[in-house]
Amino acid sequence: DAGVTQSPTHLIKTRGQQVTLRCSPKSGHDTVSWYQQALGQGPQFIFQYYEEEERQRGNFPDRFSGHQFPNYSSELNVNALLLGDSALYLCASSLASGSFNEQFFGPGTRLTVL
Amino acid sequence: AQSVAQPEDQVNVAEGNPLTVKCTYSVSGNPYLFWYVQYPNRGLQFLLKYITGDNLVKGSYGFEAEFNKSQTSFHLKKPSALVSDSALYFCAVRDPYRFTGGGNKLTFGTGTQLKVEL
Repeated sequence: DAGVTQSPTHLIKTRGQQVTLRCSPKSGHDTVSWYQQALGQGPQFIFQYYEEEERQRGNFPDRFSGHQFPNYSSELNVNALLLGDSALYLCASSLASGSFNEQFFGPGTRLTVL
Repeated sequence: AQSVAQPEDQVNVAEGNPLTVKCTYSVSGNPYLFWYVQYPNRGLQFLLKYITGDNLVKGSYGFEAEFNKSQTSFHLKKPSALVSDSALYFCAVRDPYRFTGGGNKLTFGTGTQLKVEL
């Protein structure tokens, strides 16, 4: 059973560019959350998708947007990249219904903005 | 707003000794608490969670956590540390569950680097 997968593993961009990160949830999961982890910090919640809609959003500007597809996979898009967007971007999947299920995290995409 | 605090940036312990990684929380309502571990260049791995019930929660790899409501703490413990336990540990609190989906946003602490030495 494959866990959460993310692509690409690493990415280097320059300021002002746009980037798309991809995530495939763990089999059977229907909810995808995205987190940003800056160096030396804990992960910060960006947003969460369920039933192809953004259900909850953290304190991130509109430059950060996302999408969820019918197969539950998800994309994170960041426009007009800033140096401060350099971070590890983590995708997590979970089940929306049922008990208090934990989130399973992918290995992350390391984004470097030059 | 819900939050967790990890007061120690780093904890050092000798292999074979017990370890404790501290976490305190601030929530409105019932706390839903988690511990995750992160190895270098890896994502987060789930260790254990407290939703309700027994105050001592047992998790993966021999770890356990003690929930203390009066002290608003959720400390991670292990009776005998291994060198392979050296990693970055995060405490997290979850938003209350919502039936319609979502609502399980996690708020993480700043992390505690655990170093286990021979």
